[in-house]
Amino acid sequence: DTEVTQTPKHLVMGMTNKKSLKCEQHMGHRAMYWYKQKAKKPPELMFVYSYEKLSINESVPSRFSPECPNSSLLNLHLHALQPEDSALYLCASSQSLVPTDTQYFGPGTRLTVL
Amino acid sequence: SQQGEEDPQALSIQEGENATMNCSYKTSINNLQWYRQNSGRGLVHLILIRSNEREKHSGRLRVTLDTSKKSSSLLITASRAADTASYFCATDADPGTYKYIFGTGTRLKVLA
Repeated sequence: DTEVTQTPKHLVMGMTNKKSLKCEQHMGHRAMYWYKQKAKKPPELMFVYSYEKLSINESVPSRFSPECPNSSLLNLHLHALQPEDSALYLCASSQSLVPTDTQYFGPGTRLTVL
Repeated sequence: SQQGEEDPQALSIQEGENATMNCSYKTSINNLQWYRQNSGRGLVHLILIRSNEREKHSGRLRVTLDTSKKSSSLLITASRAADTASYFCATDADPGTYKYIFGTGTRLKVLA
C-alpha cells in the first residue's frame, strides 16, 4: 500500500472557525510533511515530522498547529485563519529523512477561508 | 524563496511528440528530483538524480543534470494525453536538513 490519504477533500471555513486536516499513511514511514500550495505555484514546505517529533517548522504562523499523534497520523489544526490561507494543503510521507528517500504525496485538502 | 526556475512555464504539444522541460537552480545541491502533478492533485515522484550523475532514464523519461550550469532537464518521449500535468523539479538546497525546494513548474498540455 503506497497511499497517503487526506481528509477532508474540501473544506470551507470562516475566519473564526477551528478545524483540522487529517493525513494518514500505512507504509511504515517515519517522516511526514505538510506543504501549502497556492494556485499555479509550487508546493511550499510548512512542517516536517520525524519519528513523531517536529523536525522543521518553516516559520509558519501559529494559527497553523501541527500534531503527530502516532507514526501513521498527521494532523494540521487550523484556527483564526485569514482568506490568504486559502490553498491546497498537501501531506507527504517518506521512509525517513534521508534526502534520497521518495516522498509520497496525498491528494490534498482544498481549503477556502471566507 | 524558490530555488528552481523552470522553463518553459507552459508547453503545448501534439501526442507522440517529445517534451523537454528545463530547471535551473541557484545553489549547490546533492540531489534533484522531478515530480508530476495532475490538476489540483497530489504530486507523484518521477525520478531522482544525484549530483554525481549526469543522466538517468526511467521508461519514457530521461533526466540530465549539469552541475556546472546548475541546470537539469526532463525529456518525455512519445508523449501521451495522459502526460498532461504540471512538472516540478525539487532540489535539496539546504544542507543538513531534509528540505526540498520546488521549482516554479512547467505546465504541459498534450493534445490528442
